[in-house]
Amino acid sequence: DAGVTQSPTHLIKTRGQHVTLRCSPISGHKSVSWYQQVLGQGPQFIFQYYEKEERGRGNFPDRFSARQFPNYSSELNVNALLLGDSALYLCASSLGWTNSPLHFGNGTRLTVT
Amino acid sequence: DQQVKQNSPSLSVQEGRISILNCDYTNSMFDYFLWYKKYPAEGPTFLISISSIKDKNEDGRFTVFLNKSAKHLSLHIVPSQPGDSAVYFCAASAQFNDYKLSFGAGTTVTVRA
Repeated sequence: DAGVTQSPTHLIKTRGQHVTLRCSPISGHKSVSWYQQVLGQGPQFIFQYYEKEERGRGNFPDRFSARQFPNYSSELNVNALLLGDSALYLCASSLGWTNSPLHFGNGTRLTVT
Repeated sequence: DQQVKQNSPSLSVQEGRISILNCDYTNSMFDYFLWYKKYPAEGPTFLISISSIKDKNEDGRFTVFLNKSAKHLSLHIVPSQPGDSAVYFCAASAQFNDYKLSFGAGTTVTVRA
């Protein structure tokens, strides 16, 4: 079975631009979460979606938005990019909205110049 | 506000010996704890978890211990193998925060031959 897949793997953007990151969960998983990992730190929670509804939002500005589609795939959008948005963006899926382990993709490395 | 802390940024251990990784948390509402392993250029991989109703969980070479009164958990890897060289993240979640994961900053483990 395919794991969580994310695209693109790497991305370079300029300050002020917009970016869209995409994620396909493991087949059968209905919950998708997004995390941001800055170098030297652990992943930080951005969003969680379950059955296409937002179930949680971390301490990120409104420039960050996300959505989940009927096939449970998801995309993360970031507007007006700042240098500080440079990070590894991780998508994770799980069976449900409970204390089940998250399964992560390999991430999208975003560099903002 | 860092609710999960891994105070040792690195650990070096000889092959065949025990690796002990430590993690402290501050929020007594956390009731589910996980350890993830991360290789460079890959996403975190789930290793082992423990619910707050237990104080020990074992899976092969990996054992996690939970001390709720001290708000402390540890991961024991016995015996350590070269393939165990990676960054290990401790994470915690709870129903109060919709099971989103709060991660520590990670501990880099190096297994010496």
